[in-house]
Amino acid sequence: NAGVMQNPRHLVRRRGQEARLRCSPMKGHSHVYWYRQLPEEGLKFMVYLQKENIIDESGMPKERFSAEFPKEGPSILRIQQVVRGDSAAYFCASSPPGFGGNEQYFGPGTRLTVT
Amino acid sequence: DAKTTQPPSMDCAEGRAANLPCNHSTISGNEYVYWYRQIHSQGPQYIIHGLKNNETNEMASLIITEDRKSSTLILPHATLRDTAVYYCIVRRTTTSGTYKYIFGTGTRLKVLA
Repeated sequence: NAGVMQNPRHLVRRRGQEARLRCSPMKGHSHVYWYRQLPEEGLKFMVYLQKENIIDESGMPKERFSAEFPKEGPSILRIQQVVRGDSAAYFCASSPPGFGGNEQYFGPGTRLTVT
Repeated sequence: DAKTTQPPSMDCAEGRAANLPCNHSTISGNEYVYWYRQIHSQGPQYIIHGLKNNETNEMASLIITEDRKSSTLILPHATLRDTAVYYCIVRRTTTSGTYKYIFGTGTRLKVLA
């Protein structure tokens, strides 16, 4: 049973470009969470999605950031017009069906560098 | 949001027990305490969780005080591979009934040979 997969593992973008981060949850998991981690800090919750639904986006910046989890395919975190402050590690986690599931299983992360 | 407070760093001798404290004095009655660790900036790894009772699994033990305002994660025989940042997390139930992890800044545990 493969774990949570994220790609790319490393992404370099120039200021103003778009960044697309992908997350494939564990098999059978229907809940996906995205977190951002700045250097030397803990993870900060961004958004919680189920298939085709955004359940909680209280941690998402209001502008430039969006997330989706379509019926088919991976979850996508999209950052438009990136700025240097977006440089961070972005982690995706998944959990099984049920009301929020229990423990979350994390992927290896995508390290975004904005130059 | 329930906040957790952990010491920023700790050292532990290899083979000895590592006791990592966490303060969560504002925790609500239905909020679980979870522990994860992060090794070399990899994705966090689940360790253990609990609500009121002490818990034990193959990785660690979790001791929660009776008033639930603090807890301690115990790694009974620390090895060099246990060197990591350990996060004490309160799992908060949102108004819509879903769950959210609130991460603190963690404790950087260094196991010394």
